[in-house]
Amino acid sequence: GAGVSQSPRYKVAKRGQDVALRCDPISGHVSLFWYQQALGQGPEFLTYFQNEAQLDKSGLPSDRFFAERPEGSVSTLKIQRTQQEDSAVYLCASSLERNRPSKPQHFGDGTRLSIL
Amino acid sequence: QKEVEQDPGPLSVPEGAIVSLNCTYSNSAFQYFMWYRQYSRKGPELLMYTYSSGNKEDGRFTAQVDKSSKYISLFIRDSQPSDSATYLCAMRPFSGGYNKLIFGAGTRLAVHP
Repeated sequence: GAGVSQSPRYKVAKRGQDVALRCDPISGHVSLFWYQQALGQGPEFLTYFQNEAQLDKSGLPSDRFFAERPEGSVSTLKIQRTQQEDSAVYLCASSLERNRPSKPQHFGDGTRLSIL
Repeated sequence: QKEVEQDPGPLSVPEGAIVSLNCTYSNSAFQYFMWYRQYSRKGPELLMYTYSSGNKEDGRFTAQVDKSSKYISLFIRDSQPSDSATYLCAMRPFSGGYNKLIFGAGTRLAVHP
C-alpha cells in the first residue's frame, strides 16, 4: 500500500517486558514522527527523525523509550521494562519535506499497546 | 494548563445540522493551524490547513482563525452520519525547523440520521 504502515496493530505485554513497535513510512518521505495518544486525548509528540538523524527526542517520557531509524526509512520505537502508564496508541507519521507546514503529515493507524 | 484546549464533547447532532468545533490556545507563536479527523481505531487525517488569521473554505468545511483571541473554529455544513468521528485541532509555530504539531484533546462528534 501507499500509506504509512505500522505493526503490530495490537500488542499486549506484561509489566516489565520489552516491546518493539515498527513503522514503515511512505517511500521517499524525509521526516518521520512518533506520537503517543492516550485514551480520550490528542496525540503527543515523542520524537522526530530527518532521514536517519534523530533531531528531537524531547517528548520521550523516560529513558526506557528509545527510537531508531538506521537507514532513513523504517523506524522502530522500543520501550524497555514496560509500565502500565505506557498503555496507549503509538502513532507514526511521515512527511515528504522537512519544514513545509503545508505538506501534511500522513499518519499510520497506530499500534495499540496494552500493559497488563 | 495545556497549550491547546479543546472541549472533548461528545457532541451529538441530527443529520443536516451545522456543526461548530473550537479550540483555544495560549502560545502566541503558533502560526499554522490544522484540523484532523480521526475515525475509531484509525490514524488522524488532515482536513484543513490555515496559515495565520482568516477563513478557508473547502466544500462543506470552513476553518476560521482569530489570532487576536487565540481561537480557531471548524464549521461543518449539512453534516452527514459519515462525519461522525473525533476532530482534532493541531498547531505549530512559524519557526522551529520542522513540522512538530501540538494537538488538542479532540472533540467526539456523532451525527445521527
